[in-house]
Amino acid sequence: GAGVSQSPSNKVTEKGKDVELRCDPISGHTALYWYRQSLGQGLEFLIYFQGNSAPDKSGLPSDRFSAERTGGSVSTLTIQRTQQEDSAVYLCASSLAYSGSPQFFGPGTRLTVL
Amino acid sequence: GQQLNQSPQSMFIQEGEDVSMNCTSSSIFNTWLWYKQDPGEGPVLLIALYKAGELTSNGRLTAQFGITRKDSFLNISASIPSDVGIYFCAASANTGNQFYFGTGTSLTVIP
Repeated sequence: GAGVSQSPSNKVTEKGKDVELRCDPISGHTALYWYRQSLGQGLEFLIYFQGNSAPDKSGLPSDRFSAERTGGSVSTLTIQRTQQEDSAVYLCASSLAYSGSPQFFGPGTRLTVL
Repeated sequence: GQQLNQSPQSMFIQEGEDVSMNCTSSSIFNTWLWYKQDPGEGPVLLIALYKAGELTSNGRLTAQFGITRKDSFLNISASIPSDVGIYFCAASANTGNQFYFGTGTSLTVIP
């Protein structure tokens, strides 16, 4: 595919349930990022993967949030025991490896926790 | 942490008018990016700037990398209704791949 894809596009869940959000980066992009965007707000950095290096998890808001990237490509963001304040759009982006390489975003997953 | 101050927060303009928005920081950056986000979509890259003083155009859009490396601006000329959306700046010090994002400028174009 030409761009970053994310699934599902929308997810509605009940408070306390776990959710998994998926991101397929652009082929050849070794860097992958997850952001959270609350309604009408800017982008909140969550986590960053670069090749085989240890991920930068400094933006994860709590230990209920985790992410993995298998085979250096697809990434999954997992939120355990979801809370209503987790409701937001979760955006994934990917880029080439060099410093300052522009990030290209997916369409996002809109998560609603009831 | 490093912070980008983006202004204005929102703009309401008449179709055909020119638009200007900017981002400033107290930190020095080596790359500036401008994105546009339509409702329900992810941000789309508009312009990338890599050199202080660089002026780059993309159609009716023009962006400049400030000479001090602490700011950037985006101009849109002769606005049209499809320019409506939220515009974000982003900057990187190029130490790694981390970008910092502005808080966005919401643009409304009145036909």
